[in-house]
Amino acid sequence: NAGVTQTPKFQVLKTGQSMTLQCAQDMNHEYMSWYRQDPGMGLRLIHYSVGAGITDQGEVPNGYNVSRSTTEDFPLRLLSAAPSQTSVYFCASSYEAGMRTEQYFGPGTRLTVT
Amino acid sequence: SQQGEEDPQALSIQEGENATMNCSYKTSINNLQWYRQNSGRGLVHLILIRSNEREKHSGRLRVTLDTSKKSSSLLITASRAADTASYFCATDANSGYSTLTFGKGTMLLVSP
Repeated sequence: NAGVTQTPKFQVLKTGQSMTLQCAQDMNHEYMSWYRQDPGMGLRLIHYSVGAGITDQGEVPNGYNVSRSTTEDFPLRLLSAAPSQTSVYFCASSYEAGMRTEQYFGPGTRLTVT
Repeated sequence: SQQGEEDPQALSIQEGENATMNCSYKTSINNLQWYRQNSGRGLVHLILIRSNEREKHSGRLRVTLDTSKKSSSLLITASRAADTASYFCATDANSGYSTLTFGKGTMLLVSP
């Protein structure tokens, strides 16, 4: 199993550009989520999904969109990038649609918005 | 707002010593989890402890949970240089299972 994969590893965007961060898992996990990690802030939840076709907002959803058309994939879209979205983004998945089991994290995408 | 808060923010010890990190949270929980993050990497799950458990062990790791004080501790015994990492606690809200809230982490440095 590859586990949770994320692409790209690094990205530089100009203000106003849009892009999609890709996340895929091959463990047949129902639950997937996106976090951002900023220095001194820990991880903050952006969006999550409890199964294909079902998504919900986390703590910091503004400026981001998600969709979940398959169990495997959970892309994160930045609609119009802003410098405040400079961060490291992590995708995670877990077996159950909930926090009763461990989460598996991807390696992260480091995004810089200039 | 952050549900879990780790203490201390940073900890520096010598190889062979024990390291203790604490986590406090604000509302009732179902589960509490501890994760490790090596520099530049994703988080790796260490231990999950449920609200009806008081202590759990995994190798050199020992986690305790005191729901009356809303706190947990992670003890790493006989630390090694490879244990150098940031450690995060994460909690879910008792009202549902859908999301985890992470603390800001404790940065552990183990010197040879």
